[in-house]
Amino acid sequence: DTAVSQTPKYLVTQMGNDKSIKCEQNLGHDTMYWYKQDSKKFLKIMFSYNNKELIINETVPNRFSPKSPDKAHLNLHINSLELGDSAVYFCASSQFGSKETQYFGPGTRLLVL
Amino acid sequence: GENVEQHPSTLSVQEGDSAVIKCTYSDSASNYFPWYKQELGKGPQLIIDIRSNVGEKKDQRIAVTLNKTAKHFSLHITETQPEDSAVYFCAALYTGTASKLTFGTGTRLQVTL
Repeated sequence: DTAVSQTPKYLVTQMGNDKSIKCEQNLGHDTMYWYKQDSKKFLKIMFSYNNKELIINETVPNRFSPKSPDKAHLNLHINSLELGDSAVYFCASSQFGSKETQYFGPGTRLLVL
Repeated sequence: GENVEQHPSTLSVQEGDSAVIKCTYSDSASNYFPWYKQELGKGPQLIIDIRSNVGEKKDQRIAVTLNKTAKHFSLHITETQPEDSAVYFCAALYTGTASKLTFGTGTRLQVTL
């Protein structure tokens, strides 16, 4: 009965590769997010989707492309991975317009070698 | 945009003592202030939140206070226990054209026996 789940949990890959991270929520929320947490634990929003529509796109390199096939899923595809992409990526979800509490997934630890 | 500052960055207390973490925010339009606890290897988990029309909220050993005039909010944990050891994040929700949660830089709380 996991509320927000992400796959994979760990991802180790070489520079230049392309990889995807998947996120699913079963809370019935209409808004989903991707956050990046760097080595200093700083959490920063990358993208937000509401009802499959992109509503927040922070200053993220265009090598990062989110895709939301439906309200319950938000995937993140990263092209041409760089060393600086190594971080923990968190997916979150909320219900827009109500309390807007965001619920986070367990994270995907990405290591680029 | 919103800017959230959080202090201290690390906090060590003895079991049974109280812990206080303070945050300030910059945007007076922010109206929702959640606190998250992040344990090692896990995603941030909401522990308490407060809306701007409330000055204080309590949930067992945890309380949050908000001073809208000064743009300060604080987390208070009483009777700390070893399982309270974690990284704590404050956040402020800025509801502009798209709701955006801005996090503080985190406080690593260590509760010693």
